[in-house]
Amino acid sequence: DTGVSQNPRHKITKRGQNVTFRCDPISEHNRLYWYRQTLGQGPEFLTYFQNEAQLEKSRLLSDRFSAERPKGSFSTLEIQRTEQGDSAMYLCASSLSGGPESEAFFGQGTRLTVV
Amino acid sequence: QQPVQSPQAVILREGEDAVINCSSSKALYSVHWYRQKHGEAPIFLMILLKGGEQKGHDKISASFNEKKQQSSLYLTASQLSYSGTYFCGISGAGGTSYGKLTFGQGTILTVHP
Repeated sequence: DTGVSQNPRHKITKRGQNVTFRCDPISEHNRLYWYRQTLGQGPEFLTYFQNEAQLEKSRLLSDRFSAERPKGSFSTLEIQRTEQGDSAMYLCASSLSGGPESEAFFGQGTRLTVV
Repeated sequence: QQPVQSPQAVILREGEDAVINCSSSKALYSVHWYRQKHGEAPIFLMILLKGGEQKGHDKISASFNEKKQQSSLYLTASQLSYSGTYFCGISGAGGTSYGKLTFGQGTILTVHP
């Protein structure tokens, strides 16, 4: 068990460019979550998947954001036409199930800087 | 709906104790505690479920008070390694999905030798 893996760890992009992040969850985990964290704040929920189905999206997730989890394995988060306000740490987490007792384990995150 | 953590920051000397509180305006169903060090992933500490259960491992324990809609994290005989930002995440409050967490703003804990 290698834990939750996220790539890249850091991404610097120019405003207006598109970026894509990848998350590989713990292998037997069905649930996969994306969060965004800005400096000095707790993680904010963006979206989550149960296997390959995207079950919920936050109002924070504008039309420029899209996430996929093909075949219920790894997931990608794409941001189109990046803005400076998108600069943040993007965290992925996975859990075995969606019950109240499910422990969610986080990856190291992808730090996005939009210049 | 974001839980409120208190205090915002704590400074301790090794061996001292601390309590971090997490309060919700909506009924709590589960509370998840994490510790995050600068530039690292949040590390899972423990989950408390509705029912007033108290949990603990090593010298870190937590309680869940349904009446007060509050969870408290207790750190006893603190060690340097306890330094970091502690977050509580609530799940299932107000009919929201279990597993999806709404986090507090964090409590910064600093332990000095």
